[in-house]
Amino acid sequence: AQKVTQAQTEISVVEKEDVTLDCVYETRDTTYYLFWYKQPPSGELVFLIRRNSFDEQNEISGRYSWNFQKSTSSFNFTITASQVVDSAVYFCALSGDNYGQNFVFGPGTRLSVLP
Amino acid sequence: SAVISQKPSRDICQRGTSLTIQCQVDSQVTMMFWYRQQPGQSLTLIATANQGSEATYESGFVIDKFPISRPNLTFSTLTVSNMSPEDSSIYLCSARANVYTEAFFGQGTRLTVV
Repeated sequence: AQKVTQAQTEISVVEKEDVTLDCVYETRDTTYYLFWYKQPPSGELVFLIRRNSFDEQNEISGRYSWNFQKSTSSFNFTITASQVVDSAVYFCALSGDNYGQNFVFGPGTRLSVLP
Repeated sequence: SAVISQKPSRDICQRGTSLTIQCQVDSQVTMMFWYRQQPGQSLTLIATANQGSEATYESGFVIDKFPISRPNLTFSTLTVSNMSPEDSSIYLCSARANVYTEAFFGQGTRLTVV
């Protein structure tokens, strides 16, 4: 069975601090995909990144970076120099590569960035 | 990327009635899904909407309560039937081009049953 764990329920930081959101996953699939989504107070889910299981390169996009480590089954997300607009709930998700296979979402981490 | 239009965006309904939520995708997609998100919770998959055939429901969700249609590759509906206050939640439509890609989500339907 597939499972995603986000141990941090809520995090509060002060603006300009760096913050890392943890994601640990479980799967028996050899090929799988990992995702991060942002859900701001408006409620819409915004796609941030997708990572394939066979590509362990870390990725940086502006203030966002992702650290994928298969050895520890983790896919952590770091926001550098956080801003108030980063306040949202962040979901990590996992999907296998079988047709029709849906996402398994983690419970989410609520990030509050204080001015 | 796909743009998903979902309506209504919110509704307040009387218990015992039904509400149909519509989901329109701006491009053809192979997979469409319906999720429920209760306040402060993560997303729970209700069902996979299959084009031209019956939807595939997750454990705990049944067709009589949540009938789903998907007449083509860009449109789906979810009906919440015989509603009770426990059905108050956000319902989200999702679409995915294939198993290798990300999923995109509609803006959600915030349902309150009184």
